[in-house]
Amino acid sequence: GQNIDQPTEMTATEGAIVQINCTYQTSGFNGLFWYQQHAGEAPTFLSYNVLDGLEEKGRFSSFLSRSKGYSYLLLKELQMKDSASYLCAAMDSNYQLIWGAGTKLIIKP
Amino acid sequence: GAVVSQHPSWVICKSGTSVKIECRSLDFQATTMFWYRQFPKQSLMLMATSNEGSKATYEQGVEKDKFLINHASLTLSTLTVTSAHPEDSSFYICSASRLAGGDTGELFFGEGSRLTVL
Repeated sequence: GQNIDQPTEMTATEGAIVQINCTYQTSGFNGLFWYQQHAGEAPTFLSYNVLDGLEEKGRFSSFLSRSKGYSYLLLKELQMKDSASYLCAAMDSNYQLIWGAGTKLIIKP
Repeated sequence: GAVVSQHPSWVICKSGTSVKIECRSLDFQATTMFWYRQFPKQSLMLMATSNEGSKATYEQGVEKDKFLINHASLTLSTLTVTSAHPEDSSFYICSASRLAGGDTGELFFGEGSRLTVL
């Protein structure tokens, strides 16, 4: 079956770095997405990886290892506004997104 | 970036009535649109995929006669919740992609519509 695993909740300190991991199993693979979702709002796109390696975009970076079925989202210089849920989603061979349950990130001062 | 507008943001209706939610791509042509629902503290659940000019593809367990999807133009898709009941109360979100089949590096999400059925 198809499956996405990511931690339910993480806590980090303002100004620090946090890494949110995601493992996936899909029928075929057409990329791995990370989305940020604040409570009560729709998700916003953060990153897309289809090739192995690290993609850096400002304070956020995303890493993919296709052979390991593994990705992580790295957030640096954490700010209070980064408190949100972070959704990992893998696209299968039919271009359907398989969504993880999301990781709730709590930032403490 | 591309903008997807969803309307209404909030809707409260009586049990048994129908509610229509619109999803518009404002500055691009969306060949494929996706409809999701999300219950509190849960992840997005894909309901259906619609391609312009063709019938929507519904996910297993989603009643197509209850959740009517129309994608009549490249900029508009509608979701109609027919004969709504309290268990249909949820957060409904649409997203759009530029290319057919969802073959894109990015999905553009609407703001979401919160439906409360009394």
